[in-house]
Amino acid sequence: DTEVTQTPKHLVMGMTNKKSLKCEQHMGHRAMYWYKQKAKKPPELMFVYSYEKLSINESVPSRFSPECPNSSLLNLHLHALQPEDSALYLCASSLAHFSSYEQYFGPGTRLTVT
Amino acid sequence: SQQGEEDPQALSIQEGENATMNCSYKTSINNLQWYRQNSGRGLVHLILIRSNEREKHSGRLRVTLDTSKKSSSLLITASRAADTASYFCATVNSGYSTLTFGKGTMLLVSP
Repeated sequence: DTEVTQTPKHLVMGMTNKKSLKCEQHMGHRAMYWYKQKAKKPPELMFVYSYEKLSINESVPSRFSPECPNSSLLNLHLHALQPEDSALYLCASSLAHFSSYEQYFGPGTRLTVT
Repeated sequence: SQQGEEDPQALSIQEGENATMNCSYKTSINNLQWYRQNSGRGLVHLILIRSNEREKHSGRLRVTLDTSKKSSSLLITASRAADTASYFCATVNSGYSTLTFGKGTMLLVSP
């Protein structure tokens, strides 16, 4: 199984809502990542989890709250978002958080904030 | 901050032709990776080339790396309509194990 799954595929939320994005992999990978991608732009790293611990936070606003309940799951909790947070949110995983490993990406969640 | 800059931004070719995309970067790297993204979907890893390698092949893909010029190229031979996608180079800096993506090249292969 070389797949990273993400739910939901699409999400529309108001600025006062609380929602969560979910990501799952069963490849035994110990590093997981959240990226944000705006239209016609490259992905930008948000968070890195290594062995279920947050190792990198790229100065992401606190309205985005990541969580890694176990080695297979990664969540991104959303609260009080702004319209400019509308984007494709991509989850990825790799064998470990080392430079020589390729990353496997999920299909993404298309988020629209109204 | 973005590390790689792809060139061209967009490329339109006919099926059967070769497609060449270039990537330049600014700082020293551990390795450079190429990814493909079909419209609005996840990225797929294509190939990784280490800083001590000059050329690598995988099927119809050929990647070169010139660390003295801080540049890489991706050649897709005998393009197919299914190759239509955005292609991103991503660098991994020495001592920092995260990917930094370039702006990408949008490739359109017409039948």
